Amino acid sequence: EVQLVQSGAEVKKPGDSLKISCKTSGYYFNKNWIGWVRQTPGKGLEWMGNIYPGDFDTMYSPSFQGRISVSVDKSTATVFLQWGSLRPSDTGVYYCARRSGSGGKSWSFDNWGRGTPVYVSS
Amino acid sequence: QSILTQPPSVSAAPGQKVTISCSGTRSNIGSYYVSWYQQFPGKPPRLVIFDNYYRPSGIPDRFSASKSGTSATLDISGLQTGDEADYFCGTWDNGLRDGVFGGGTKLTVL
Repeated sequence: EVQLVQSGAEVKKPGDSLKISCKTSGYYFNKNWIGWVRQTPGKGLEWMGNIYPGDFDTMYSPSFQGRISVSVDKSTATVFLQWGSLRPSDTGVYYCARRSGSGGKSWSFDNWGRGTPVYVSS
Repeated sequence: QSILTQPPSVSAAPGQKVTISCSGTRSNIGSYYVSWYQQFPGKPPRLVIFDNYYRPSGIPDRFSASKSGTSATLDISGLQTGDEADYFCGTWDNGLRDGVFGGGTKLTVL
């Protein structure tokens, strides 16, 4: 069974750094992209970026490029999402999700973590 | 404002059929496959349709979808109260170089 287990809720202050995690299991880690998706009441679902564990290739949404970093630890099949300096507008629920399909014209996420709530306030 | 346009809400009676639309452009729906997600409050999204019209294992055949040009639709027939949820469409946009989602449609089963 494919599982994506995310780290717990975070409460941070503006300017803080943060790294949240998504531990995967139940499939061959190297063979699927893993993405991060943010959900906020005002903006709905927003794709942030993906990483391909096989070769560490990354792709980022222009909306988040430069503010976040996605990385992997192959030894633990874990994917990370990191911020250097949080803003109140980063408040939301962050989901990791496995991208399904063979790429090309396919764009879907077939397994999702339960989400990591992040709250940023002074 | 989401790149893909969905109606904010739809409703229908149990047993009836409902259609949820998702409108885009040539650079997204017109060029890439569409996926659909079901989300209950406090839960993560669940994939119900991928590659325009395929159902993942475990999704009942009451869920079907299609795509034509720059629009896609999700149909849910034989509505059940357990289908009440938010539904999102998603795809890739090659012009924006970005993954994009619709704003979501809240389905109410009256």
